[in-house]
Amino acid sequence: SQQGEEDPQALSIQEGENATMNCSYKTSINNLQWYRQNSGRGLVHLILIRSNEREKHSGRLRVTLDTSKKSSSLLITASRAADTASYFCATEASGSRLTFGEGTQLTVNP
Amino acid sequence: DAGVIQSPRHEVTEMGQEVTLRCKPISGHNSLFWYRQTMMRGLELLIYFNNNVPIDDSGMPEDRFSAKMPNASFSTLKIQPSEPRDSAVYFCASSLAVGTGIRSGGYTFGSGTRLTVV
Repeated sequence: SQQGEEDPQALSIQEGENATMNCSYKTSINNLQWYRQNSGRGLVHLILIRSNEREKHSGRLRVTLDTSKKSSSLLITASRAADTASYFCATEASGSRLTFGEGTQLTVNP
Repeated sequence: DAGVIQSPRHEVTEMGQEVTLRCKPISGHNSLFWYRQTMMRGLELLIYFNNNVPIDDSGMPEDRFSAKMPNASFSTLKIQPSEPRDSAVYFCASSLAVGTGIRSGGYTFGSGTRLTVV
């Protein structure tokens, strides 16, 4: 069963705009991770945020985590056409299982 | 490091045949995971190993599926006999656990094996 649920399921924006994707989960976690998957390819790890962290940055990526609301958001600033991909959040609870959501399909139009 | 290496990249087989998928994790990683991805069910964890020992195989669909990790650098996922509903992309991933439930970073995924059972 899926632990995380992404919102929206699909997002289409223009190059240069910011993209925000949200993730909600149900149980307590050790960490939450975001991955990108280009069509026909494997998943690429973007960022990991631990349960005791609230915000993390990596280049044009900004991730927030609100454990009281059991939610996270991924912000991609100044989007590029190359950012077009599916983005997945994944949660890891104790016991080392990484459970993925259904993903958000992001399309960045040039 | 060449990353997680999976083989074959593509496999087309007839129903009833045995299929073996292979994975070489990143050297030094002590956890290995097999996932299956389909449009209908998304990414599903099939089984994972810590230090070559299977920890949780509750995601393995049925007895037709089996996985082994004979050493730290190699794992196989076998389907016997294969059925059309097994058609999916199968991913192997590895990571480093530095303590119980504590990871040093994210998972590294292989490029996947696209399995088609006709």
